[in-house]
Amino acid sequence: GQQLNQSPQSMFIQEGEDVSMNCTSSSIFNTWLWYKQDPGEGPVLLIALYKAGELTSNGRLTAQFGITRKDSFLNISASIPSDVGIYFCAGRGSSNTGKLIFGQGTTLQVKP
Amino acid sequence: GAVVSQHPSRVICKSGTSVKIECRSLDFQATTMFWYRQFPKQSLMLMATSNEGSKATYEQGVEKDKFLINHASLTLSTLTVTSAHPEDSSFYICSARGLAEAFFGQGTRLTVV
Repeated sequence: GQQLNQSPQSMFIQEGEDVSMNCTSSSIFNTWLWYKQDPGEGPVLLIALYKAGELTSNGRLTAQFGITRKDSFLNISASIPSDVGIYFCAGRGSSNTGKLIFGQGTTLQVKP
Repeated sequence: GAVVSQHPSRVICKSGTSVKIECRSLDFQATTMFWYRQFPKQSLMLMATSNEGSKATYEQGVEKDKFLINHASLTLSTLTVTSAHPEDSSFYICSARGLAEAFFGQGTRLTVV
């Protein structure tokens, strides 16, 4: 089935550094979403993108919907220890079920 | 954001028994609910999509008789793992979608012994 390629798989950074991760797809999506998952919890929605080229911020997080509609990136600026977790991108195509396709996740570790 | 409550958060059951997991949208009506399974250090794998009042649509490879899904109201969906076996041990997560985006429950850690 459809798959999203998310990279990097993991990152280990120093507190205060900026972080960037991205997702690419072989097919077009109408919606891109970014979620964060803490251990033992369900994913929490961070940012939703609905238009090609759209750039949206949520505090220190910024995400963009690629012009080709086949990619998206998420940036985290000035990382802090509580940013630790797994970040997932998810895309939704034209399916009327509304189901999401998830990336493999990026595990972020922040060293104080 | 919207609240989706999943219960129980953890359950241990004996092999051969059935387990029911509930997913409730607390402050919105969920026309569609999704059930996922997640293995350690892996992404979410969609098991099935359910719409209120109709039969669930299962993804390829997911046994519908094994994983019974009921979406009887706009605020409640249940997943029943029937005749559970140790290989069914996993983290199960629901999500609910109304007019806005899908919000996830807290997940259920199922351990079959």
